[in-house]
Amino acid sequence: DTGVSQNPRHKITKRGQNVTFRCDPISEHNRLYWYRQTLGQGPEFLTYFQNEAQLEKSRLLSDRFSAERPKGSFSTLEIQRTEQGDSAMYLCASSLATGGPKNIQYFGAGTRLSVL
Amino acid sequence: DAKTTQPNSMESNEEEPVHLPCNHSTISGTDYIHWYRQLPSQGPEYVIHGLTSNVNNRMASLAIAEDRKSSTLILHRATLRDAAVYYCILRDSAQKLVFGQGTRLTINP
Repeated sequence: DTGVSQNPRHKITKRGQNVTFRCDPISEHNRLYWYRQTLGQGPEFLTYFQNEAQLEKSRLLSDRFSAERPKGSFSTLEIQRTEQGDSAMYLCASSLATGGPKNIQYFGAGTRLSVL
Repeated sequence: DAKTTQPNSMESNEEEPVHLPCNHSTISGTDYIHWYRQLPSQGPEYVIHGLTSNVNNRMASLAIAEDRKSSTLILHRATLRDAAVYYCILRDSAQKLVFGQGTRLTINP
């Protein structure tokens, strides 16, 4: 049983460059979430998908951010024209859609982005 | 989302029980209480959840006050591997998790 996989684990980029992260969820999970975590803070929700449909986006997700889940399996998160404030850990989680508020999310180890 | 309040940090000794408190005075009748923890350099990990009754699993126990305005996560015998940030989260749906700052637990050998 493989868990949630995120690649790359670390990314260093220069300000103004575009970056893309990938998340592979647990295979039978139809929900996929993206969160962002800055140093010393708890994770903050960015967006989530049910299958290939993007159902909710946070106000944190500026127009430089785009997320896709084209076939309802893996997802990508792209940040265009990166800024130093984008430096953070980007976490992906997956879950089943069932269970209501008892539902459990399973997290990957995250991608740490450093913008120089 | 209903708000939770946790101490910023706690310290305990190895092999002793640890009680991590969480206040949620504005909890609604349909909110479940979830606990996640985040070990260093890892993503959050589910620990336990409950609604009204106390709950036990292989990782921990969850004690819920009768009025549901507070709860306590109990680690029965802490190990060094339990050093983490513990988050108490209220959920009324299967959607996003809303994390606070959590409690940073330090375990002394």
